[in-house]
This record gives sequence, C-alpha cells and structure tokens, in this order.
Amino acid sequence: QKEVEQNSGPLSVPEGAIASLNCTYSDRGSQSFFWYRQYSGKSPELIMSIYSNGDKEDGRFTAQLNKASQYVSLLIRDSQPSDSATYLCAVNPKSRGGSEKLVFGKGTKLTVNP
Amino acid sequence: EPEVTQTPSHQVTQMGQEVILRCVPISNHLYFYWYRQILGQKVEFLVSFYNNEISEKSEIFDDQFSVERPDGSNFTLKIRSTKLEDSAMYFCASSRYSYEQYFGPGTRLTVT
Repeated sequence: QKEVEQNSGPLSVPEGAIASLNCTYSDRGSQSFFWYRQYSGKSPELIMSIYSNGDKEDGRFTAQLNKASQYVSLLIRDSQPSDSATYLCAVNPKSRGGSEKLVFGKGTKLTVNP
Repeated sequence: EPEVTQTPSHQVTQMGQEVILRCVPISNHLYFYWYRQILGQKVEFLVSFYNNEISEKSEIFDDQFSVERPDGSNFTLKIRSTKLEDSAMYFCASSRYSYEQYFGPGTRLTVT
C-alpha cells in the first residue's frame, strides 16, 4: 500500500507564477511533514517542515497542512527558473511506536519557464 | 553552515564484494540515518541509529547490511556481499532531534 502520494507531473509554470504542489498520506497518525527539493543528480534538500494544521510561510514558500484530509501542499510564489527541480513530500509516521523514519513520495517535477 | 559529508562520492564494486560507505553527520546531531534511491525511484529508508544502537530498520536492511559509529564523528554503512540490485544512491542523513533530517550529498554505488 502506497503511503505518500504525489502527482508526478511534470508541472510547468511560467516565471513569476505560483506553483502548487500536492501530497496525500495514508497514515492518519502521522505527526511531521516535510518538503524537500531535489535537483537532478543531487541529494534531497530540506526546504519546509510543518507539524500543525494551517499554513506556514518561509519567504516565497508556503506549506499547508490539513490532517483531517491527510493532505499537505507547498506553494511557491514568484517562481524562478532556479526553482526547477523535483519536490519530494516526506512524512514521519510517528504513530508507529516512535518511528523516526521518513516515508517519501515519488516527487513532483517542476519546471519554471523563463 | 554545518553539512553532512559522505565519502566516496562514487564507488564501483564487483558483485559479492564488501563495501563500506562513510558519513560524517552534523556535529551536534543525535540521530543518524541511511536512505537509498534507486535511479528513477523514490527515496527509501534503510535504518536509523540513536544512542549507539539501531532504533529502526526497514525490510531492505537485511543481514547483508550493518551500520556502525566507530568514533565520535563517523557513521558507516557496510554491505557485506553486494548484489546487482544494490546499485543506487545511498544518502546519509542526520537530525538534532527526531524531526528535521539533513541529507548528505550521497554515494553512488555501482555493482557490476
């Protein structure tokens, strides 16, 4: 059973637009949620973490969490060509006896066109 | 800014050989992890390590795998007898507490 689902894309937006990335998860007891950015051939880079329902903003990035719907999203405002990467949603299923592991989605490939 | 480092960046080995992948976690972090990513696939958890012992491992982490923190700075992943299907990027990660995990640049393992 898949645990973290993302639209694989590719998602293509023009420079300056808002990019919206979505993620759903199956473990209702999950407590911690993360967005990583992965450039081709590189390692995942942590860009946002969110732990409670609502919005969390950091610069051009906003993470949104809705635990009732088991849904996490990432908005990127004023998208730049340098934002072109694969965005990975990761969930910590802490409900499983204190697990520390991250469960990753397959990622959404974002392309920002100049 | 402190970073996780990994060596080597690329390791080529023959099937059946032992390999050791090395990581230096961020210095004040307490939790250490190994993940792998087969080309084109999702990042998969292998093992977590806290207080000098394995705290959790996945089904992938069978008897062919082992981890060790031989001193105060290094964290290693050993694969005893490599298989073709072990070819992947291996990422080490660390976290101060069991929350935000920071990844190293990875070791590309190629088994021939």
